[in-house]
Amino acid sequence: AQRVTQPEKLLSVFKGAPVELKCNYSYSGSPELFWYVQYSRQRLQLLLRHISRESIKGFTADLNKGETSFHLKKPFAQEEDSAMYYCATRWGSQGNLIFGKGTKLSVKP
Amino acid sequence: DTGVSQDPRHKITKRGQNVTFRCDPISEHNRLYWYRQTLGQGPEFLTYFQNEAQLEKSRLLSDRFSAERPKGSFSTLEIQRTEQGDSAMYLCASSRQPGTSGGTSTDTQYFGPGTRLTVL
Repeated sequence: AQRVTQPEKLLSVFKGAPVELKCNYSYSGSPELFWYVQYSRQRLQLLLRHISRESIKGFTADLNKGETSFHLKKPFAQEEDSAMYYCATRWGSQGNLIFGKGTKLSVKP
Repeated sequence: DTGVSQDPRHKITKRGQNVTFRCDPISEHNRLYWYRQTLGQGPEFLTYFQNEAQLEKSRLLSDRFSAERPKGSFSTLEIQRTEQGDSAMYLCASSRQPGTSGGTSTDTQYFGPGTRLTVL
């Protein structure tokens, strides 16, 4: 079965420090990978997806098929980055997303 | 606000009662999804519709759960004979069908604020 693993429940860093949120997926064909973010008291929203190769709010994520990973990175964390981050995948024509358990990022001043 | 809306935002019920939630998707979106999220977990897929057709159901969706989207617009999710284990946040999302005009980003799923269900 398809699975997404986010090994860290909580990641705490200081403002200005680099941050990396880990995500691994179980391999089956050609997956689509996403990062969703949920700020406090807001709804879940798409941060970025691997096929668009965008940098959003300074975040980037590279799909590594050899390691089946899609880690989210930002070189200099900001306090406003504090939120829950969910990695998700979707296989082929399946519509639904499969989410990891999420990582809570806390950026301290 | 033209985003996905859900009603009610909170529901408290007693075990054994029936509850119904409503989701209004973004108007031009023909796909609609239901997810359930419990504490400490990511959202888990329940079911999805393309227009009025229910195309996929998770094994999480027991026979006490039923979802409809009669006119291809809003959707309802009903839980019969609620159990304490049904307590969760129920999320709705909508998207365009992949491949429709606008490129790959058009199938992004947009989430509603959720309905938090508490079963006493």
